[in-house]
Amino acid sequence: GAVVSQHPSRVICKSGTSVKIECRSLDFQATTMFWYRQFPKQSLMLMATSNEGSKATYEQGVEKDKFLINHASLTLSTLTVTSAHPEDSSFYICSARAPADYYTDTQYFGPGTRLTVL
Amino acid sequence: DQQVKQNSPSLSVQEGRISILNCDYTNSMFDYFLWYKKYPAEGPTFLISISSIKDKNEDGRFTVFLNKSAKHLSLHIVPSQPGDSAVYFCAASDGNNAGNMLTFGGGTRLMVKP
Repeated sequence: GAVVSQHPSRVICKSGTSVKIECRSLDFQATTMFWYRQFPKQSLMLMATSNEGSKATYEQGVEKDKFLINHASLTLSTLTVTSAHPEDSSFYICSARAPADYYTDTQYFGPGTRLTVL
Repeated sequence: DQQVKQNSPSLSVQEGRISILNCDYTNSMFDYFLWYKKYPAEGPTFLISISSIKDKNEDGRFTVFLNKSAKHLSLHIVPSQPGDSAVYFCAASDGNNAGNMLTFGGGTRLMVKP
């Protein structure tokens, strides 16, 4: 159990286009989902926290108009990279947390999406 | 099903004692393993890693042990300090470089009591 999927796993797009990444919790309801960007040397940067039915909370320095997050249901959150540029090329990883895991902060991570902007 | 599992969602340890966090994996293609530490409202930060050609890697108070036959790794923290209180995630990849995708466990919340 506790599987999180991401779609697509890899995407290549032209500069200026928009890309949507989906994050789904397959067998549990996730009231909270997190979006991370993986940088070189293994570090993960938290971009935003999304709670089902409400607006996402963005971390400082993350442009909310560029990285649109929608958490429309208890099993789906989407990240849309608008007007993508080559510097947006990276791994984007989501994680999902069930209400019962709030105290331990147990999160289940998706497999990641590799975005390449040409 | 989950390929990387951390079966203990939480662990409580007294300051000065050893903390042992465990992680199991099922994918035999994994050959690089990492531990991350995460404070509330922050992203996980890289802590220590180990390649499958080794069975132990040590960095200060942190030691990671890898048992490939058992598909098990553990993180030892000794002596534990209150500042070590955080959520620890183990992760694995099937390529020995930072460019490969990581598969994470669900995390273990460590609480170190003064």
